[in-house]
Amino acid sequence: QVQLQESGPGLVKPSETLSLTCTVSGGSISTYYWSWIRQPPGKGLEWIGYIFYSGSSNYNPSLRSRATISVDTSKNQFSLKLRSVTAADTAVYYCARDANRSGSNWFDPWGQGTLVSVSS
Amino acid sequence: EIVLTQSPATLSLSPGERATLSCRASQSVSGNLGWYQQKPGQAPRLLIYDASIRATGIPDRFSGSGSGTDFTLTITSLEPEDFAVYYCQQRFIWVTFGQGTRLEIK
Repeated sequence: QVQLQESGPGLVKPSETLSLTCTVSGGSISTYYWSWIRQPPGKGLEWIGYIFYSGSSNYNPSLRSRATISVDTSKNQFSLKLRSVTAADTAVYYCARDANRSGSNWFDPWGQGTLVSVSS
Repeated sequence: EIVLTQSPATLSLSPGERATLSCRASQSVSGNLGWYQQKPGQAPRLLIYDASIRATGIPDRFSGSGSGTDFTLTITSLEPEDFAVYYCQQRFIWVTFGQGTRLEIK
């Protein structure tokens, strides 16, 4: 059964770059699409973007200018970089797998999430 | 951007009762709507996709219906573990989520 685990700094300074990695275990990253989704404290969910193992990616238009998702198939990992962060980027960040190999944009399963706070 | 509006914001019911949660889209999403359950401190779990198809392992007391702009998640005979926050999600144009409905024990 595939499992996902987010990792990265829990605190980032304003204007810096947020960097997170998702490690996939129990299955190969070289199938399916893989996404990042975030949830500000006490609020709803926001899809950030996805990547395929080939490297093709797509992003939420509202974050496209600041977000980059990359994949490392040798490590079975994919990563998120979000540039020029502000307090509004404080959130629990989840990585998730697409529920369907063909790319359905339904998300299942998810990692447990990691809280990233933006503060000086 | 397609905005999803969920109602009610909070629903208070007792175990054994029937829950009906609504999700309305700002424009038609055809059948491209899903539902997730999120318990405190946990990641969301996919319940329903394509408006009415239960995800793997989801009990049949959960059902989804609707198309176009109006969708419903129904939970027949609530179990104690069903009290959680429920989100709808559309994939018709990009991906957006509703703001959630909190299902709490009365």
